[in-house]
Amino acid sequence: DGGITQSPKYLFRKEGQNVTLSCEQNLNHDAMYWYRQDPGQGLRLIYYSQIVNDFQKGDIAEGYSVSREKKESFPLTVTSAQKNPTAFYLCASTIGGTANYGYTFGSGTRLTVV
Amino acid sequence: AQSVTQLGSHVSVSEGALVLLRCNYSSSVPPYLFWYVQYPNQGLQLLLKYTTGATLVKGINGFEAEFKKSETSFHLTKPSAHMSDAAEYFCAVRLNTGFQKLVFGTGTRLLVSP
Repeated sequence: DGGITQSPKYLFRKEGQNVTLSCEQNLNHDAMYWYRQDPGQGLRLIYYSQIVNDFQKGDIAEGYSVSREKKESFPLTVTSAQKNPTAFYLCASTIGGTANYGYTFGSGTRLTVV
Repeated sequence: AQSVTQLGSHVSVSEGALVLLRCNYSSSVPPYLFWYVQYPNQGLQLLLKYTTGATLVKGINGFEAEFKKSETSFHLTKPSAHMSDAAEYFCAVRLNTGFQKLVFGTGTRLLVSP
């Protein structure tokens, strides 16, 4: 079945450490997104990518980085510059450059700083 | 700027009672509107969407929503709540400026009591 796979489901980060969250899709979708979810704040956009080798900052990009070397993959790195990284991270994708059909979401990665 | 407002961070109903989750939108152009559901530690799943045409939209799990332009609303309803409906619900609007993205509300947690 087609879908989006996020891994790992749970991730623990030590202070000052970079970690990378994986997002892979087999839907042949062009656009991919990373959102951060905190209680009571809804979903906030971190980065998005329309096509391979191109990505744009969202509303809260500071302390994060991404790459889009393959259409299927859009990994997110949470760097040590992100001062409050504990959150639930969601990856999404959609067909082409339009959000008319909404997004398909992965099952999320919960990141905790220890 | 386009946005959505969800009234009530928590809504409590009894099993079998009517479910009403409120969403108001702000948009200068005809909106594309969406409702998503999220179960604990999972991604978001599309319940239903309004694009054009019929203003009463039926979705999965017995939910429906009515687009009311005069009230700028897109409230989600279900005639009879089930325990399995307990989850968080997000309303979203498609952003029309630049690259199309979805803007999400802050979510409403639905609690269902026996």
